[in-house]
Amino acid sequence: GDSVTQTEGQVALSEEDFLTIHCNYSASGYPALFWYVQYPGEGPQFLFRASRDKEKGSSRGFEATYNKEATSFHLQKASVQESDSAVYYCAFNTGNYKYVFGAGTRLKVIA
Amino acid sequence: EAAVTQSPRSKVAVTGGKVTLSCHQTNNHDYMYWYRQDTGHGLRLIHYSYVADSTEKGDIPDGYKASRPSQENFSLILELASLSQTAVYFCASSEDGDEQYFGPGTRLTVL
Repeated sequence: GDSVTQTEGQVALSEEDFLTIHCNYSASGYPALFWYVQYPGEGPQFLFRASRDKEKGSSRGFEATYNKEATSFHLQKASVQESDSAVYYCAFNTGNYKYVFGAGTRLKVIA
Repeated sequence: EAAVTQSPRSKVAVTGGKVTLSCHQTNNHDYMYWYRQDTGHGLRLIHYSYVADSTEKGDIPDGYKASRPSQENFSLILELASLSQTAVYFCASSEDGDEQYFGPGTRLTVL
């Protein structure tokens, strides 16, 4: 069935460290892939999307590349800041207007 | 700017009681969604709607009903609240089933 796996439940980094959050999906068809970010006390916010193989999505210094063969969409950022501390969700659209979200990865950046 | 509001923001309910969570959007979006958020599970889709007066079941609809009386409003109804329904609930809207705009969430505690 449709699912998203985020390998890391929690990540702790120091400022200026390199970030990778792994996301793998299982879907029938060719879905659009998304990253959302959720700050404490708020609802999730759209970060960026990618719709086709090898397309790179990016926003606010974060980026991810659609890899259809590996069924992956890993989130990366070259130099994290304390303000990046949040929960990050990988998701895809099943094509019939439904979303499937991963369990989320909590990022804590220490100044 | 896109706006999704939810009410109440927090609620304590008794087991077996009826609970109604409300969502209002001013985005003029056709699609609206209800999710619940639990630690370790991320966001799970309960119900969604793509047109007024019609709702669809999501991935975890048992114990929940939904109502879409107008394009702007989408309610989630717990007819007989149970302890297991303690969670944070998010409403979202989208224009074409793509990028979603989330509300601030409702924290529901069932005692």
